[in-house]
Amino acid sequence: GENVEQHPSTLSVQEGDSAVIKCTYSDSASNYFPWYKQELGKGPQLIIDIRSNVGEKKDQRIAVTLNKTAKHFSLHITETQPEDSAVYFCAASKGSSGSARQLTFGSGTQLTVLP
Amino acid sequence: KAGVTQTPRYLIKTRGQQVTLSCSPISGHRSVSWYQQTPGQGLQFLFEYFSETQRNKGNFPGRFSGRQFSNSRSEMNVSTLELGDSALYLCASSRGTGGTEAFFGQGTRLTVV
Repeated sequence: GENVEQHPSTLSVQEGDSAVIKCTYSDSASNYFPWYKQELGKGPQLIIDIRSNVGEKKDQRIAVTLNKTAKHFSLHITETQPEDSAVYFCAASKGSSGSARQLTFGSGTQLTVLP
Repeated sequence: KAGVTQTPRYLIKTRGQQVTLSCSPISGHRSVSWYQQTPGQGLQFLFEYFSETQRNKGNFPGRFSGRQFSNSRSEMNVSTLELGDSALYLCASSRGTGGTEAFFGQGTRLTVV
């Protein structure tokens, strides 16, 4: 089955700096790659996603890049703020038109933004 | 638009008992997936229901089961609870037909003592 590896497990950055989290996947048939942010006591919140027919997607301070050949994708957060502090999860799935039918998650990255 | 609602939020059960968790998806969404989140194993897929039928199933023992009703609400049941079943159980809702995102509820924190 699919295996998703995520690095680093913890990341501390100064407020205003950029943060990058990387994931690799094993199944070349995977075609949908969402990123979730989970704050303490809450469920994961979808922050951005990318499908395999796209190489990059941006939404304000957040961007995701996908390299299908290398089977890896990354989350980039620019101008980080204290409220960005949370655990971030990458995930992968495969299915018609890239749906989120069965997500395989990475192990998570605890991001801390220092004021 | 209301989000995904999971009840109850917290539950304490004794080993050997059974438990039922409930999930109401976003209005109009027909797919409900369940995940187990633990510190050791992370987020793991349990199963997915679409139009009252189980479409996918993860690698969990038969003690874990679920169902979906005609209004898309879903329940999951765990029988003969073990200490290792202590976890946050998350429900995700999606439209269920091609190219759709999954939105999670706040989860049910189950503690088995």
